[in-house]
Amino acid sequence: EPEVTQTPSHQVTQMGQEVILRCVPISNHLYFYWYRQILGQKVEFLVSFYNNEISEKSEIFDDQFSVERPDGSNFTLKIRSTKLEDSAMYFCASSEAGQGGFANTGELFFGEGSRLTVL
Amino acid sequence: QQQVKQSPQSLIVQKGGISIINCAYENTAFDYFPWYQQFPGKGPALLIAIRPDVSEKKEGRFTISFNKSAKQFSLHIMDSQPGDSATYFCAASIQGAQKLVFGQGTRLTINP
Repeated sequence: EPEVTQTPSHQVTQMGQEVILRCVPISNHLYFYWYRQILGQKVEFLVSFYNNEISEKSEIFDDQFSVERPDGSNFTLKIRSTKLEDSAMYFCASSEAGQGGFANTGELFFGEGSRLTVL
Repeated sequence: QQQVKQSPQSLIVQKGGISIINCAYENTAFDYFPWYQQFPGKGPALLIAIRPDVSEKKEGRFTISFNKSAKQFSLHIMDSQPGDSATYFCAASIQGAQKLVFGQGTRLTINP
């Protein structure tokens, strides 16, 4: 069964350092997402990406965050200067194109997550 | 208005019992309501979803009940099994919007 894969599974970094989280979405999916989950809290939307550009982002996704699809398979989330409060599980997700060119946002396929710990 | 409120925060049910988790929303533009199941160390996985043109959807032991006028929806797990022990998230989205708004999650424990 196709799946979304994420690396690394766990990363520990010092405050102020740059971090890149990597994702390989399901191959025929066109919409890509990053969500995060602070320990014990709900899953929160960060950003969606379609046709090589950001299609929507939340207020959490400020200037220290960026996303990129550097090649045909990878989708990355970069945090430029990490803060303590960036410590969370970061989930990549992907979905197929839905009707009318919109993604059917209910049917997201999530990866297993990358746990980021900022010290 | 973008919030989805979920209750209870945790739930313990005996094997064979019915587990019920409730969610409420404010934004009437939401038109897609999925439930996700998350096991420890794993990402959320879609369990079942409903659109507001129906009041109930059933898939095996899992049923979503939807009350559009009350802006509430719930997940019922019949004949609950220990393997159902997980965290369950309700969510909502607006077709064409690119994001899911998740509830706070319910940690379900099924005692054998």
